[in-house]
Amino acid sequence: EVQLVESGGGLVKPGGSLRLSCAASGFTFTYAWMNWVRQAPGKGLEWVGRIKSKTDGGTTDYAAPVKGRFTISRDDSKSTLYLQMNSLKTEDTAVYYCINYKSGSGWSWGQGTLVTVSS
Amino acid sequence: EIVLTQSPATLSLSPGERATLSCGASQSVTSNYLAWYQQKPGLAPRLLIYDASNRATGIPDRFSGSGSGTDFTLTISRLEPEDFAVYYCQQSGSSPYTFGQGTKLEIK
Repeated sequence: EVQLVESGGGLVKPGGSLRLSCAASGFTFTYAWMNWVRQAPGKGLEWVGRIKSKTDGGTTDYAAPVKGRFTISRDDSKSTLYLQMNSLKTEDTAVYYCINYKSGSGWSWGQGTLVTVSS
Repeated sequence: EIVLTQSPATLSLSPGERATLSCGASQSVTSNYLAWYQQKPGLAPRLLIYDASNRATGIPDRFSGSGSGTDFTLTISRLEPEDFAVYYCQQSGSSPYTFGQGTKLEIK
């Protein structure tokens, strides 16, 4: 069974930094393309970005609002996905989810971790 | 970027009725990589349908997905009380992946 467990959320001041982690199990993480999605309070879902597997080049893509401020990385030896968030803004306040697609069974989601950006 | 437009924004129906939710894409969704989710307050989204028409594990057969290209539909054949929630579509055929703005299914 696929399990995704996010951690690292919390309260941070505008302009600050935070790193989120997502521990994965139940599938071969090395070959997985991994994504981050967020949801601001009372709002809809927003895709944040994606990292391909190293065998597929390990490249990253980002949504326009976070490009240049957020960095997605992975440690295949630990089956862990990361989201480094710099220059945080109040509008980055959201629950952050890591998600993974597996052919034949669709998307799996973690439970999410809350990031609050406030002075 | 593919923009997904969901309609209606709000759908008011009674238990036992049929619900039809639409998701329109501004460009064709590659390989029909279109998913549907249900979300209730305080919870993570629950996958209902993936690849346009495949029901996820454990999803009741009253939920069905159809469509291709730019027009997709989620149908709930007979509404149960627990089905009243917000529903989102998501495309992952091309980056950036995008979500629709959601349809709120409320009890009439």
